[in-house]
Amino acid sequence: GAVVSQHPSRVICKSGTSVKIECRSLDFQATTMFWYRQFPKQSLMLMATSNEGSKATYEQGVEKDKFLINHASLTLSTLTVTSAHPEDSSFYICSASPSGGETYEQYFGPGTRLTVT
Amino acid sequence: GIQVEQSPPDLILQEGANSTLRCNFSDSVNNLQWFHQNPWGQLINLFYIPSGTKQNGRLSATTVATERYSLLYISSSQTTDSGVYFCARSFGNEKLTFGTGTRLTIIP
Repeated sequence: GAVVSQHPSRVICKSGTSVKIECRSLDFQATTMFWYRQFPKQSLMLMATSNEGSKATYEQGVEKDKFLINHASLTLSTLTVTSAHPEDSSFYICSASPSGGETYEQYFGPGTRLTVT
Repeated sequence: GIQVEQSPPDLILQEGANSTLRCNFSDSVNNLQWFHQNPWGQLINLFYIPSGTKQNGRLSATTVATERYSLLYISSSQTTDSGVYFCARSFGNEKLTFGTGTRLTIIP
């Protein structure tokens, strides 16, 4: 149980284009999902907290107009990187917290490796 | 801000060896977790251990919250144990803060 999927697993895009990453909880409902970014050989940094049916909460320094988050259902959150630039190249990981559970209880997706050329 | 430091940053061991990974945190916790990130990037929950000691097979973990540290023990290492080990902490409804990580490489 508690499986989270991400799609795509890997994407290469040209500078200036937009990329959408999907995060799905496959066997549980998740009121809250989280988006992290991980640069090579670094730790995970929280970008934003996504709540079903409401606006996402962004961490300091993360541009909400650049990283659009939509949490339209209890099993799906999407992250759209708009007007991507090479510095946005990174490993993006989502996690999902089961509805009714504790916030710290998070199950992680396999990640999406974004390369912007 | 809240700091979560892990040591050592890198560890290379022969298969069969034992190891101890340390996580020091600067603030109070009521949630402390250990994760293993495999070479493909997937994070696996290992332990939820805000205090005390837990064991799961060859792995065990101990957290001493009053002294603000946690330890992860790996015994009889296998090549599949390779990857990066992260601890992460939070308190109440705070966001989860990840540690700096320990990169473990097990050599056959």
